[in-house]
Amino acid sequence: NAGVTQTPKFQVLKTGQSMTLQCAQDMNHEYMSWYRQDPGMGLRLIHYSVGAGITDQGEVPNGYNVSRSTTEDFPLRLLSAAPSQTSVYFCASSWDRRNTEAFFGQGTRLTVV
Amino acid sequence: AQSVTQPDIHITVSEGASLELRCNYSYGATPYLFWYVQSPGQGLQLLLKYFSGDTLVQGIKGFEAEFKRSQSSFNLRKPSVHWSDAAEYFCAVGPNAGNNRKLIWGLGTSLAVNP
Repeated sequence: NAGVTQTPKFQVLKTGQSMTLQCAQDMNHEYMSWYRQDPGMGLRLIHYSVGAGITDQGEVPNGYNVSRSTTEDFPLRLLSAAPSQTSVYFCASSWDRRNTEAFFGQGTRLTVV
Repeated sequence: AQSVTQPDIHITVSEGASLELRCNYSYGATPYLFWYVQSPGQGLQLLLKYFSGDTLVQGIKGFEAEFKRSQSSFNLRKPSVHWSDAAEYFCAVGPNAGNNRKLIWGLGTSLAVNP
């Protein structure tokens, strides 16, 4: 099993550009989530999904969209990148909705200039 | 309000010394409790978790943690630290009921290990 795979690992965007961060898991996990990690602010939940076709907002959803058309994939879309979105993004998955153990991808380091 | 506090932002220990990382939480009921480790440039990996039962839980890499309900604490310990333990450590809590199981994270403790 590959676990949770995130692509790309690094990305530089110009302000106003859009892009999609990819996340795929091969563990048949129901629960998937996106976090951003910023110095001094820990992990903040952006969006999450409890199953295919079901998504919901976390604590910092503005500027981001998600969809969950399959169990395996949970892409994160930046609609119009802003410098404030410079961060490290992590995708995580758990085998059930109780989120009893989260498996993390290796992260995407995004810089918006 | 629900919160997780890791009082120590940064800790330095010598290799072979014992380690204790503190975690305190504020929560309405007994939550699920977790410790994760993040090595430089990597994602987070689960060290151990507490759901119920024995309040002393064992994890991977020789770590253990003790849940103390009266103190709302879940401190992480290791009797002898190795240089490879240098990393960022995160405590997290989550609800033990309901379908919305979002985790609340501490801000992390950065561990440095002197040779």
